[in-house]
Amino acid sequence: QVQLVESGGGVVQPGRSLRLSCAASGFSFRSYAVHWVRQAPGKGVEWVAVVWFDGTTKYYADSVKGRFTISRDISKNTLDLQMDSLRAEDTAVYYCAKEGILGGNRCLDSWGQGTLVTVSS
Amino acid sequence: EIVLTQSPGTLSLSPGERATLSCRASQSVRSNYLTWYQQRPGQAPRLLIYGASNRAAGIPDRFSGSGSGTDFTLTISRLEPEDFAVYYCQQYGSSSMYTFGQGTKLEIK
Repeated sequence: QVQLVESGGGVVQPGRSLRLSCAASGFSFRSYAVHWVRQAPGKGVEWVAVVWFDGTTKYYADSVKGRFTISRDISKNTLDLQMDSLRAEDTAVYYCAKEGILGGNRCLDSWGQGTLVTVSS
Repeated sequence: EIVLTQSPGTLSLSPGERATLSCRASQSVRSNYLTWYQQRPGQAPRLLIYGASNRAAGIPDRFSGSGSGTDFTLTISRLEPEDFAVYYCQQYGSSSMYTFGQGTKLEIK
């Protein structure tokens, strides 16, 4: 069964950096795109970034482009999110999610439990 | 960029009633790449419906999705206590970018 376990959240000052990690198991990690999605306290969900199965094709939401970097390590079955120049508005629970292709439709079919990032001085 | 608008923002109903949630897109959603998720309090979102009308594995048949183009609907035929949650629609666009609606909170009346 698919498991995604995030780690690395915490409290960080504005302008500083933080690195999140997601440990994946129960599926062929090298075969699927994986995403980061976040949710600010009391707000809706916001897509952040994706890395394709090839490990080199990456896309970002405009709100994080140039500040966040997504990467994956096939040998360790891990997904990372390097977050630089953090802002207060980056405060959120960060989820990693596996993309599935169901009947030709792309969707996020498995999610981790999330890790909380708080950006505050 | 396609914007998804969900309505109503909050829906108050009683167990056993029928719920109808709407998701409207600012442009036509290609190939019906429209997905619905359920998020219970304190939990991660869970896949409910993909391709506008297909139930994900393990989802009860009281959940159904319909629609095409710019107008989509999630219907819950008879509400169970565990169905009171927040529901999000989401579309997959170009460059693997995902867009979510702002959510509809389904609360107990």
